[in-house]
Amino acid sequence: DGGITQSPKYLFRKEGQNVTLSCEQNLNHDAMYWYRQDPGQGLRLIYYSQIVNDFQKGDIAEGYSVSREKKESFPLTVTSAQKNPTAFYLCASVPETGGYTEAFFGQGTRLTVV
Amino acid sequence: LAKTTQPISMDSYEGQEVNITCSHNNIATNDYITWYQQFPSQGPRFIIQGYKTKVTNEVASLFIPADRKSSTLSLPRVSLSDTAVYYCLVVTWFSGGYNKLIFGAGTRLAVHP
Repeated sequence: DGGITQSPKYLFRKEGQNVTLSCEQNLNHDAMYWYRQDPGQGLRLIYYSQIVNDFQKGDIAEGYSVSREKKESFPLTVTSAQKNPTAFYLCASVPETGGYTEAFFGQGTRLTVV
Repeated sequence: LAKTTQPISMDSYEGQEVNITCSHNNIATNDYITWYQQFPSQGPRFIIQGYKTKVTNEVASLFIPADRKSSTLSLPRVSLSDTAVYYCLVVTWFSGGYNKLIFGAGTRLAVHP
């Protein structure tokens, strides 16, 4: 089955630690996105990537880093510089079809700082 | 990027038709209008997309007037399982370029028995 997979589903981090959230897709999509969602709020864009080895900052990139070494993978690292990392993180991918923009989302990773 | 404005919340009852309107006054010629649905602790799910006039699929209809400055998502005969957050996005997709997908706060729809 084609889809987009995020892991782990739940993640606990101690203050001062870096953690990496995984996002893998087997849909052969070019574009991939990371969003953060806080309780009762909408999605905010962290980073996005259109092609391998290139990516752009979104609206709230501070304290986060990404890589895009393979088309299928777009991991997000939450660094110790992110002051309030507890949130629900969502990864999405979009095919390169020009105009038609159905985004496919993973099931999310809930990160909690303990 | 075109900014969207939609109601924060709406209430309805089972069996009623629900219409959620989104305002996007500065929509550009190449922009498409897309709606997503999100349940708690899940990723958003694509519902429908349109450019102008009316689009209908098995779950919803999307009405877009000629000036395209607003759009209305119509959910026929809602049930309790339609309780969710609905997002309106205006998307300009540049082939081969960098394309932001910006989600606003969405409309929280509550369907009551």
